[in-house]
Amino acid sequence: KQEVTQIPAALSVPEGENLVLNCSFTDSAIYNLQWFRQDPGKGLTSLLLIQSSQREQTSGRLNASLDKSSGRSTLYIAASQPGDSATYLCAVRGSGTYKYIFGTGTRLKVLA
Amino acid sequence: GAGVSQSPRYKVAKRGQDVALRCDPISGHVSLFWYQQALGQGPEFLTYFQNEAQLDKSGLPSDRFFAERPEGSVSTLKIQRTQQEDSAVYLCASSQNRGSSYNEQFFGPGTRLTVL
Repeated sequence: KQEVTQIPAALSVPEGENLVLNCSFTDSAIYNLQWFRQDPGKGLTSLLLIQSSQREQTSGRLNASLDKSSGRSTLYIAASQPGDSATYLCAVRGSGTYKYIFGTGTRLKVLA
Repeated sequence: GAGVSQSPRYKVAKRGQDVALRCDPISGHVSLFWYQQALGQGPEFLTYFQNEAQLDKSGLPSDRFFAERPEGSVSTLKIQRTQQEDSAVYLCASSQNRGSSYNEQFFGPGTRLTVL
């Protein structure tokens, strides 16, 4: 059974810092991995989608990497801003399935 | 519309009441998903539709939960005889599901259900 873990659970950093959020999964037979952002009381906003054949994806200040064999993904946020404060969730879709298995998220607070 | 919409955004129900939650997916999206998100947790899968066919309902927590998508577009999640443990945010997501470039899931804002 796929399990997804995110560490740290919470993170507080000063503005301008580069930071890394971690996601690990127990079953490497995945189809893709997607990183989301969730603001309080809101739905999920897709940030980056990495197919199982890809190693990384980039969008603006965000870079997500995938190491399928070790069951890990990282989300790198460059030059963090207060507007980046949110909960970041990673979700894994297993091979042969359509549903996502989510981690419990990392609550990020960027201090001005 | 431009994105996935859900209604109502907030629902308060007395224990034992039936509720119906609606999801309007992105036009043309084949796949539709329902997830349940408890406070402080990640979303958990409930059920999946491809067009009007419910292909996976393994995540529905009990037979009080029922979902339908009769015309392959709008979907309704119904919860009968609500219990306090049903209190959560219910998220709907859709995806095009045509080839690897189109399986990104897009989420709606969710319906926050509170059962008193």
